[in-house]
Amino acid sequence: DTEVTQTPKHLVMGMTNKKSLKCEQHMGHRAMYWYKQKAKKPPELMFVYSYEKLSINESVPSRFSPECPNSSLLNLHLHALQPEDSALYLCASSPRQGGGYTFGSGTRLTVV
Amino acid sequence: AQRVTQPEKLLSVFKGAPVELKCNYSYSGSPELFWYVQYSRQRLQLLLRHISRESIKGFTADLNKGETSFHLKKPFAQEEDSAMYYCALGSGAGSYQLTFGKGTKLSVIP
Repeated sequence: DTEVTQTPKHLVMGMTNKKSLKCEQHMGHRAMYWYKQKAKKPPELMFVYSYEKLSINESVPSRFSPECPNSSLLNLHLHALQPEDSALYLCASSPRQGGGYTFGSGTRLTVV
Repeated sequence: AQRVTQPEKLLSVFKGAPVELKCNYSYSGSPELFWYVQYSRQRLQLLLRHISRESIKGFTADLNKGETSFHLKKPFAQEEDSAMYYCALGSGAGSYQLTFGKGTKLSVIP
């Protein structure tokens, strides 16, 4: 299995809702990432997990809460989002020491 | 701090013409450079990495440390090459992360 799988593919949520994005990989990668991508812009790093521990948080608002239950899974919990949080949320994984990422297809989030 | 610069936001070429997408980087350590491609409404895909020196879909890229560049080239553009191309710099052995350039949209005119 050489893929990163993200669910759901699309999500519409209200500003008072709580939802979660899920990401899964079975390549044995020990680093996993959340990126946010706005239309026609490059991906922006949100969080880095290395060996299931959060190693980088790029000053992301607390309404985004990451979780890494095990080496294959990465979640992003969403609460009280704003319309400007609407974007494509990308999960990626890599061997810990580099070699580039494998990206998931993303979750397209719309906050209404 | 690391930085990746892609000077062209949009590049239009005719089918069969040569293509060169420019990428310059700034990094104090030993860089690991990549090209990613994103076709319309599809996921980001790794196109090339400098350490493998391979050619994918006819594209090549050479790391020039003197000029701190990693330009992407293809001798004859095809319509299916139309996509968004991102140059990326990998850094940090402990918390490895990619820094992306702003991207260049390649449009191949039939």
